[in-house]
Amino acid sequence: NAGVTQTPKFQVLKTGQSMTLQCAQDMNHEYMSWYRQDPGMGLRLIHYSVGAGITDQGEVPNGYNVSRSTTEDFPLRLLSAAPSQTSVYFCASSYSKGYQETQYFGPGTRLLVL
Amino acid sequence: GENVEQHPSTLSVQEGDSAVIKCTYSDSASNYFPWYKQELGKRPQLIIDIRSNVGEKKDQRIAVTLNKTAKHFSLHITETQPEDSAVYFCAAILYSSASKIIFGSGTRLSIRP
Repeated sequence: NAGVTQTPKFQVLKTGQSMTLQCAQDMNHEYMSWYRQDPGMGLRLIHYSVGAGITDQGEVPNGYNVSRSTTEDFPLRLLSAAPSQTSVYFCASSYSKGYQETQYFGPGTRLLVL
Repeated sequence: GENVEQHPSTLSVQEGDSAVIKCTYSDSASNYFPWYKQELGKRPQLIIDIRSNVGEKKDQRIAVTLNKTAKHFSLHITETQPEDSAVYFCAAILYSSASKIIFGSGTRLSIRP
């Protein structure tokens, strides 16, 4: 199994540009989530999904959209990038609904918005 | 809402000594408390977890304790080694349909040789 994969590894955007961060898992996990990691702020939940077709907001959802059309994929969309979205983004998945199971993290995407 | 506070933000200990990291949570309905370790430039990985019906759990040099009354839980690392240097995150998970996982802000642990 590849586990949780993320693309791209690095990205530089200009303010106002849009892009999609890709996340995929091959473990048949129900629960998937997106976090952003900023220095001194820990891991903050952006959006999460408890199964295909179901998504919900986390702590910091503004400026981000998600969809979950398949069990395997959970892309994160930035519609109009802002410098405040400069961060490291981690996707994670777990077998059940996420609240009692190990979170498997992807390798991360480092995003710089100029 | 759920909030998790973690202390200290940085911790430096002599190799061989013990390290303790503490977290408090706000929602008494939380019932699952994992700890993650993140090495520099790597992804977070689970190192130990505890559920609300257990007061203490050990795995070799690592232990976690939980005090539900006080709503705090702690990570204990004994006989620290250089490879223990990393950032450690606690988390609390609400046992409800919200399924939100809230992380603490992290503790950077450095082991002095």
